[in-house]
Amino acid sequence: DTGVSQDPRHKITKRGQNVTFRCDPISEHNRLYWYRQTLGQGPEFLTYFQNEAQLEKSRLLSDRFSAERPKGSFSTLEIQRTEQGDSAMYLCASSLEDEQFFGPGTRLTVL
Amino acid sequence: AQSVTQLDSHVSVSEGTPVLLRCNYSSSYSPSLFWYVQHPNKGLQLLLKYTSAATLVKGINGFEAEFKKSETSFHLTKPSAHMSDAAEYFCVVNPDNYGQNFVFGPGTRLSVLP
Repeated sequence: DTGVSQDPRHKITKRGQNVTFRCDPISEHNRLYWYRQTLGQGPEFLTYFQNEAQLEKSRLLSDRFSAERPKGSFSTLEIQRTEQGDSAMYLCASSLEDEQFFGPGTRLTVL
Repeated sequence: AQSVTQLDSHVSVSEGTPVLLRCNYSSSYSPSLFWYVQHPNKGLQLLLKYTSAATLVKGINGFEAEFKKSETSFHLTKPSAHMSDAAEYFCVVNPDNYGQNFVFGPGTRLSVLP
């Protein structure tokens, strides 16, 4: 399968714990995006990488959130000191130009 | 601020009848516009995109959309609905074609009745 993959698919954690999600984009894609989607809403942009450089960050990305793409390939999104409001689907997408290819998402539940 | 409005949160049609999903946007520049579809438990998939070429854009699975600058609209249509079209549809704008801050609308859930 050469699509975008995300790991884990589901994560349940207790409030205050740290969590890390991984995204593996389509191999030749230089652009990588993270979004958050809550129930009944459209995805909200969190951050964007071109190769290893993080070029845009949403104001939604508080200082508890950090994303990396160290070698310009896979990316990680870490949430520190999780809160119940962080419960959502976290989506990753990659692209060469403007058509984004989305992964299946990681569903986070914070108890 | 750029925004996307999808006027209907839920649309229900009978199989074989036309589909119209409405989208209006606000943007200070000439935007790129997209429609994505999300089937249950599947990833988002691009249906079609407008990037300042022809105003009538044809996409996959018989869908098309028309960009109307005067009305700031980008409505999605299909002449004849199929059961497999039942899904969530998102209108998306890239407001200035330079940044990558894509803005998604809230979505329209399409139900197709037999």
